[in-house]
Amino acid sequence: GQNIDQPTEMTATEGAIVQINCTYQTSGFNGLFWYQQHAGEAPTFLSYNVLDGLEEKGRFSSFLSRSKGYSYLLLKELQMKDSASYLCAVRDWGDIPTFGRGTSLIVHP
Amino acid sequence: EAGVVQSPRYKIIEKKQPVAFWCNPISGHNTLYWYLQNLGQGPELLIRYENEEAVDDSQLPKDRFSAERLKGVDSTLKIQPAELGDSAVYLCASSPGLTNTGELFFGEGSRLTVL
Repeated sequence: GQNIDQPTEMTATEGAIVQINCTYQTSGFNGLFWYQQHAGEAPTFLSYNVLDGLEEKGRFSSFLSRSKGYSYLLLKELQMKDSASYLCAVRDWGDIPTFGRGTSLIVHP
Repeated sequence: EAGVVQSPRYKIIEKKQPVAFWCNPISGHNTLYWYLQNLGQGPELLIRYENEEAVDDSQLPKDRFSAERLKGVDSTLKIQPAELGDSAVYLCASSPGLTNTGELFFGEGSRLTVL
């Protein structure tokens, strides 16, 4: 089975940097995803990590340590529109992505 | 390119009534998923299709839920009879398959309210 843990809620200031952590315990590992979901909308893909290290994509970066079962999503130069839920998902050997409960990020002026 | 299309967007029914949701995935995507999402929670897998074959339906409550993807394209998820606890958003997602990162493309979901 899969166990994915991430904080329920975080707050940050516009223009700042925020790091959202995700830890996981899985019976198999075949990649980790981060998705963004605005209220009432569909989740949208942000990043994918399958090897250890940092993947950078514009203002967003994602890090993975397979030995520690740990990932984080780093958001730089926060904007008000970044207020959303951020979902960590782990894919097992059966290629099924299992989602965490999501971290609600609130960006305030 | 059209995204994943779901209908209806919203549905309100009384308990014990049947309900059906429809999903049309992105053209060429062989893999189709149905997820259930409760408020403040992440999506939970109900069933996954590879073309027309259901390859993982262990989380589907088969006493009241059923799904089909007869021609390996669009899919229908049915609940009969609905219970109060079924109130949730039903998300459909598709993926091209194993040749890429496996990114899922989600529809906007069907929000079910059972009274």
